[in-house]
Order: sequence, then C-alpha cells, then structure tokens
Amino acid sequence: EVQLVASGGGMAQPGRSLRLSCVASGFTLDDTAMHWIRQAPGKGLEWVSSVNWKGDVKAYADSVKGRFTISRDDAKSSLYLQMDSLRHEDTALYYCAKALQYNNDAFDVWGRGTMVTVSS
Amino acid sequence: DIVMTQSPDFLAVSLGERATINCKSSQTIFYGSNNKNYLAWYQQKPGHPPKLLFYWASTRESGVPDRFSASGSGTDFTLTINSLQPDDVAVYYCHQYYGAVLTFGGGTKVEI
Repeated sequence: EVQLVASGGGMAQPGRSLRLSCVASGFTLDDTAMHWIRQAPGKGLEWVSSVNWKGDVKAYADSVKGRFTISRDDAKSSLYLQMDSLRHEDTALYYCAKALQYNNDAFDVWGRGTMVTVSS
Repeated sequence: DIVMTQSPDFLAVSLGERATINCKSSQTIFYGSNNKNYLAWYQQKPGHPPKLLFYWASTRESGVPDRFSASGSGTDFTLTINSLQPDDVAVYYCHQYYGAVLTFGGGTKVEI
C-alpha cells in the first residue's frame, strides 16, 4: 500500500524551531517530487514547499521563504521540513504529499498530516 | 502568484441532483508546448487529507466514480458532480500547478 506518514509536529513558541518528517512506503521516493502543504484550523489549503526527484530544485511559498528548508533522504524514504523562526501564523496541520512525477504536478498521495501549534 | 478563485463557497444540493463548482485562475494555466492545463481537483472530507479527483484539468484519477467530471481550459474550469450521493459531502478544491508557486482555490463546501 502506498503510504505517507508525517510526524514531528507539536507545540513551539514563536521564534523557535521544529523539524517535520515524512516517511514513505509502498513506492520509490526517488522517482518523484515531494511537497509540503498546510491547512490552518478551519481554513483552506496552502502549498508550502516542494523538492524535485533529485533534491536539487526546491521551491517555497513567500510566507515561509528564508525560514523553512525542505530536504529529502531517499535512502531513508524520508522527506523533511526544517521550520525555523516560527510564527503564530504557521499554526496548521502539515501534510506531506507525493507529486505524480514533477514539481509542477498534481498530488496523488497525501499523508494524514502532523499538527504544528505556535503559541507563547 | 496565480490566484485561484472558486465559486460558490457553499453549495446545497438535493440527493440525485447535480452540483457544479467553478474555478477561475488569474492568468492562463494552459501550457501550449504540451497542450495541457495545469489544474487539479481534490475532495476533502472532515478529518481526512485531500483526495485527488482530476489532474490535467479533466483526467480522472483511478477509482473516482464517473458521476464526477471536470472540464475547462485557459482560465476557467468546472467540476461537476452528477446525481449527488451522500458520500460526496465534502469540501472541493481546485489547484494550479503551472507557476513556480503552487496555489489552491479557497474551497467549495458541498452539502445535501
């Protein structure tokens, strides 16, 4: 079964850091681009970041650029999101998602998400 | 960034009737080199992650019932649910993957 399991969420104070992880199973991670998408409580979807299959092309939403870093370790079938300088507005459920193939592609597999709460 | 505008925000439809959701992009998301519209539709039920319904504007994902259809090109797109079923109650999102920054529509909540 193709599956993504995200973890690493929790509560953090503004200005602190968190690192999210996403473990893939049932498919070869290095065949495809991967993404992080977030959803604030009761709100819509916001794309956060993407990394291509090689790991050398990364993109970020303006709202997180310079604070978040996406990375991947295909040997561990894992995707990561390093979140620094957290802000209240980063509070959301963070989903990892697999692209059909490329960075500019639809997302055909989604993990269940990990909740990040930024609060003092 | 490309802005995706969905309408309506909320849609109440009787069982067995048709639901139509519109999505408009602030600029074209049609790429002439490959003749494709870079648009996807997702369904999200409470407490669950989104589920891909269509990509390339009208290509149905495996397992999606054929009462769902999608169409459109350029800047205007439509998701149609024919003969609405109880299982179709959800929020539906359009998503453009044309630009460097990927964006979603605000969502349309469909209820019976």
